[in-house]
Amino acid sequence: QVQLQESGPGLVNPSETLSLTCTVSGGSVSSYYWSWIRQSPGKGLEWIGYIFSSGYTNYNPSLKSRVTMSVDASKTQFSLKLTSVTAADSAIYYCARDRVGTNYGGMDVWGQGTTVTVSS
Amino acid sequence: SFDLTQPPSVSVSPGQTATITCAGYNLGDKFACWYQQKPGQSPVLVIYQDNKRPSGIPERFSGSNSGNTATLTISGTQTVDEAVYYCQAWDSTSVFGGGTKLTVL
Repeated sequence: QVQLQESGPGLVNPSETLSLTCTVSGGSVSSYYWSWIRQSPGKGLEWIGYIFSSGYTNYNPSLKSRVTMSVDASKTQFSLKLTSVTAADSAIYYCARDRVGTNYGGMDVWGQGTTVTVSS
Repeated sequence: SFDLTQPPSVSVSPGQTATITCAGYNLGDKFACWYQQKPGQSPVLVIYQDNKRPSGIPERFSGSNSGNTATLTISGTQTVDEAVYYCQAWDSTSVFGGGTKLTVL
């Protein structure tokens, strides 16, 4: 059974870069899309973007200029970088397996989430 | 991209049917998904491809999608179903609705 675990700093200084990693256990990153989603305190879900195992990416237009995703199949990990962060980027960040395709199947496996606070 | 609109809250009595809507332009042309999120937990996929249930999701959860509205129906609602429900659709990018707090009382 595939499980996901987010990791990374819980505190990031304003204007710096937020970096998170999602480790996939019980399966491979190959042939799947992997998404990052965030949830600001008391708010709803916001899709940040996804990466395919080949490295193909697709980002939320509202964040595109600040987001970079990468994948390391050998380590069964994929990563998120968000630059020039502000307090508005403080949120719980989730990684999820995303069944992207003509017959879109939703995000069927989620990590437990990691809380990131942007503050000096 | 597009927007998805959900009612902020829905209330239902135990054993009754809960209906949560999700509105978006031509949403019926896309596949809709629904997620359940309980406090302090990660979202859980409860409906995908408009009306399919993942393994382990009770039969009381069902979905439909037509025109501009997708609907999540919970038949015989139980207290354990109290949660926030999010709709989501994908059309080259993913969009989530704002979430609906389902209260069972």
